[in-house]
Amino acid sequence: DAKTTQPPSMDCAEGRAANLPCNHSTISGNEYVYWYRQIHSQGPQYIIHGLKNNETNEMASLIITEDRKSSTLILPHATLRDTAVYYCIVRPSNTGTASKLTFGTGTRLQVTL
Amino acid sequence: SQTIHQWPATLVQPVGSPLSLECTVEGTSNPNLYWYRQAAGRGLQLLFYSVGIGQISSEVPQNLSASRPQDRQFILSSKKLLLSDSGFYLCAWGLSGVGAFFGQGTRLTVV
Repeated sequence: DAKTTQPPSMDCAEGRAANLPCNHSTISGNEYVYWYRQIHSQGPQYIIHGLKNNETNEMASLIITEDRKSSTLILPHATLRDTAVYYCIVRPSNTGTASKLTFGTGTRLQVTL
Repeated sequence: SQTIHQWPATLVQPVGSPLSLECTVEGTSNPNLYWYRQAAGRGLQLLFYSVGIGQISSEVPQNLSASRPQDRQFILSSKKLLLSDSGFYLCAWGLSGVGAFFGQGTRLTVV
């Protein structure tokens, strides 16, 4: 799986948009970008994934650059409950065997009042 | 809908004792199954994954083993626990084309 690079930590004021960047310059054509988050003492939670088009769901938006070498996860109106470690992962999605999901160190997002 | 059950939530075991953690998935067939460990303040480390009954791939050499006796059951075991086995153990399931979904984890303390 391609390696990803994320800033170790970020702060965001409650109610503002949180923009979390991820670099994946060695991504392959068949690899998707996945985002997860882990709130303290809980299992990771799936947020969103995409291949090359921008994606949006009830939790977040995912913006992938045209060259697919980087992406940004956007939480449009951050709340205190969004404080967590956010992981960006790239992996092939349609594989005949289990595709290993390898987590890096992620970005620790702190939402403040 | 699919659900994943992992138990127990917390466990304190003495060094040298055996370990058995169980994970079951409901609402899907032939899922990929994963065991992860997270040491205190560290990232998630993939320990084992499985694509089917009896098929186990190990990612790192260690004091642990995994088994998949049924399609939706994944078991993590150890014959003799070490202090370094302490951590937060997470089971996850996934399908091709779908991301992995995690259980709530077991916090193991080896004393």
